[in-house]
Amino acid sequence: NAGVMQNPRHLVRRRGQEARLRCSPMKGHSHVYWYRQLPEEGLKFMVYLQKENIIDESGMPKERFSAEFPKEGPSILRIQQVVRGDSAAYFCASSATGPGAEAFFGQGTRLTVV
Amino acid sequence: TQLLEQSPQFLSIQEGENLTVYCNSSSVFSSLQWYRQEPGEGPVLLVTVVTGGEVKKLKRLTFQFGDARKDSSLHITAAQPGDTGLYLCAYDNYGQNFVFGPGTRLSVLP
Repeated sequence: NAGVMQNPRHLVRRRGQEARLRCSPMKGHSHVYWYRQLPEEGLKFMVYLQKENIIDESGMPKERFSAEFPKEGPSILRIQQVVRGDSAAYFCASSATGPGAEAFFGQGTRLTVV
Repeated sequence: TQLLEQSPQFLSIQEGENLTVYCNSSSVFSSLQWYRQEPGEGPVLLVTVVTGGEVKKLKRLTFQFGDARKDSSLHITAAQPGDTGLYLCAYDNYGQNFVFGPGTRLSVLP
């Protein structure tokens, strides 16, 4: 399967713990986007990254959230000291040449904070 | 960032019926995209409309972009249970990211 791979599919964390969400883009894609989806809502943009660079993080909370896309390996969305309000589905998408190109989404990571 | 409104929010119909869902904004867009998201899955791109007045067909799905490029509609003919899902419209935000509407949640009952 050469699609966008996200893991884990489901993640349960206690309040105060850290959550690490991983995204491997499609082969040949160097542009990665993270979105958050709350129950019964649409997708909210969080951050746009290219290899080793954050291009736009305007949708990401300033505190506790960070993202990276290293030269080697998957993109990581990290949430420190999780709170119940962080419970959501987090989707990663990748494209070959930037936002104007078709973006392909992964199956998402469903984070539950208990 | 311009807002997209989608209506209706929820729609439940019987198999075989026709339906139309809408995506509206007060802003003009260079293009709009439609996605379908099934439960537990990520969104899948259905179509991109670019030209005002454009009509695109995808089997039983017909997409139209308004003449003024401010709105779009999706019409499904003879809906089937497999059409059940969340239908999202989105626009390209100045090449930085995609902005999504809240979606229309469609349920097609057998």
